[in-house]
Amino acid sequence: QKEVEQNSGPLSVPEGAIASLNCTYSDRVSQSFFWYRQYSGKSPELIMSIYSNGDKEDGRFTAQLNKASQYVSLLIRDSQPSDSATYLCAVSGYSSASKIIFGSGTRLSIRP
Amino acid sequence: DAGVTQSPTHLIKTRGQHVTLRCSPISGHKSVSWYQQVLGQGPQFIFQYYEKEERGRGNFPDRFSARQFPNYSSELNVNALLLGDSALYLCASSLAAGGGEQYFGPGTRLTVT
Repeated sequence: QKEVEQNSGPLSVPEGAIASLNCTYSDRVSQSFFWYRQYSGKSPELIMSIYSNGDKEDGRFTAQLNKASQYVSLLIRDSQPSDSATYLCAVSGYSSASKIIFGSGTRLSIRP
Repeated sequence: DAGVTQSPTHLIKTRGQHVTLRCSPISGHKSVSWYQQVLGQGPQFIFQYYEKEERGRGNFPDRFSARQFPNYSSELNVNALLLGDSALYLCASSLAAGGGEQYFGPGTRLTVT
């Protein structure tokens, strides 16, 4: 079982709709959770971090965390073509707090 | 403010050679982490350094080594290069060690022929 799992996609969403990206993790003691956006040929860009159960909103982005279900999600409202990218879920565990474990990413495509 | 910088941007090496990659963190950040990313995969953790000490090591062979300097910049060294070492090498900067936010540099694209 992979430590951080994401659907590789591609996930195709019409412009203006809500894009929903999901991630599960295996280490129950994980404490910190991140979403990165990576455009083709570029490095990952941090867009959201979440540390406690519930929702965290930042502009058009909402991160959701459910530690009991070991599940993290990212919602993108009013999707724009510029949101087309690969979204990486990343998890940092208390047992090995110095490293961040990444999923393989979900490729998101926003169609006009 | 300057972000994380890495050099060189691209590098082509031959099998068996040695390579040194360099990273300067965001001003005020004391921790540097190194990751390897191959096409279609997420970044894989190699090392984390904080205050010049190694704080974490991923599942990479001893051919990979790193160090951090008093100004918090860092070098990643890879000896005896293999074709499989071809990847994007990413440096990430954070305020401290532990599970905090990390900010990536533009990366160094290494090609081993």
